[in-house]
Order: sequence, then C-alpha cells, then structure tokens
Amino acid sequence: DAEITQSPRHKITETGRQVTLACHQTWNHNNMFWYRQDLGHGLRLIHYSYGVQDTNKGEVSDGYSVSRSNTEDLPLTLESAASSQTSVYFCASSRDRNEKLFFGSGTQLSVL
Amino acid sequence: AQKITQTQPGMFVQEKEAVTLDCTYDTSDPSYGLFWYKQPSSGEMIFLIYQGSYDQQNATEGRYSLNFQKARKSSNLVISASQLGDSAMYFCAMRTSYDKVIFGPGTSLSVIP
Repeated sequence: DAEITQSPRHKITETGRQVTLACHQTWNHNNMFWYRQDLGHGLRLIHYSYGVQDTNKGEVSDGYSVSRSNTEDLPLTLESAASSQTSVYFCASSRDRNEKLFFGSGTQLSVL
Repeated sequence: AQKITQTQPGMFVQEKEAVTLDCTYDTSDPSYGLFWYKQPSSGEMIFLIYQGSYDQQNATEGRYSLNFQKARKSSNLVISASQLGDSAMYFCAMRTSYDKVIFGPGTSLSVIP
C-alpha cells in the first residue's frame, strides 16, 4: 500500500547542530508540506513544494530549509538547531489542490 | 493575510448529543477549500470532510457535516450523535489560491459518557 513515512520518530539534539528530518511518500504526489505542531498554535506551515525542484516558504520558515530532488522525498533541514525548534514535525502530501492531505506519523524533535 | 480562527479552545459534549465546532477564515481569494481534521491522543491526523468555495451544498460525510456560510466566512463542523471515540483535537484548515494549506489552532473536544 502507498504511504508516507517520516524518520526518525524521535530525535534529541543539541543547540547549534544541523538536523535533517526525512519524509518519503509512495503515492507519487506532487504537493508536499512540512508543518510544526506546538500547543496553542495548531499546525504551522514551514515549507511546501509543488514538484521536483520547486520549494516555497511557509509561515514559519526561518531556520529551516528543504530541497526536492525527486517526487518521493522532501527532507527538512534545521541548519543550526535552536531550543525554539523543539516541536512535533509533520510531513504531508496531496495529489492536487482539492485533495485531502495525507500525513506522516510525525517526528518529535527535542533541542537541548 | 490569510488566517484560520477557531475560538473554542475546549468543548464538552454529552455522548449521543450533537456538537458544533466553530471555524472562521480570512481570505480574499475567490477560490479556496476548507478541510477538517481530527487528531486523537495517538497523534495521527485523520481527514474528516472537505468543502470547496464554489460548492453549492454543504458537505456531509457520515456523522460529520459542514455549516458553510460563505458570506460570513465560516465553516463550522457539526458532529451528530457524539461518541466517546470523538474525543480529540479538531483542526480547521484552508487551501489558499497558491495551494498551500494553513491550519487553525484547533479545538479540543471531550465527549462525556
């Protein structure tokens, strides 16, 4: 069955380190999204992509970057992790604009 | 700026009763879509229902229905015959003209037996 997977499920890192969170989907969806979830804020959009080589900034993109070298993957990189980036990160994908988002299981990231 | 507002941080409902979760949105785009997702304590995001801005009728999916009032820019989720398993966070989301999807802060629903 097609799916969207995130790895790792849990990550602990130190401030200043570079961290990459993986997102892989097997639906061949063009649209992919990264969100962070914090209490009281819901899900906030970090970056999104409409296809290979396309990336766009979301609401809270500072300190994060993404790259889209193929359809299946959209890795999220924290260039220099900060304690404020401690959060749960969700990756999602959709086939087209009117389709629902399919979500991964999330990555709990702690920056100490 | 495009924004989703959910003014009810927490709601309680008696089992088997109906409950309405509020959602208002702000956009100047003529074309947009509205979604509702459920997040139980397990953390997964579950799609519930979708309404397009040009849809003439309110969307329904089983026990879920939308009270879509375009002029008021509101899309409230109605859950009929609440069940204990409906206890969860509920998020309203909007697809904008640039196809990005933004979420509201969520409403925590607790179903009381």
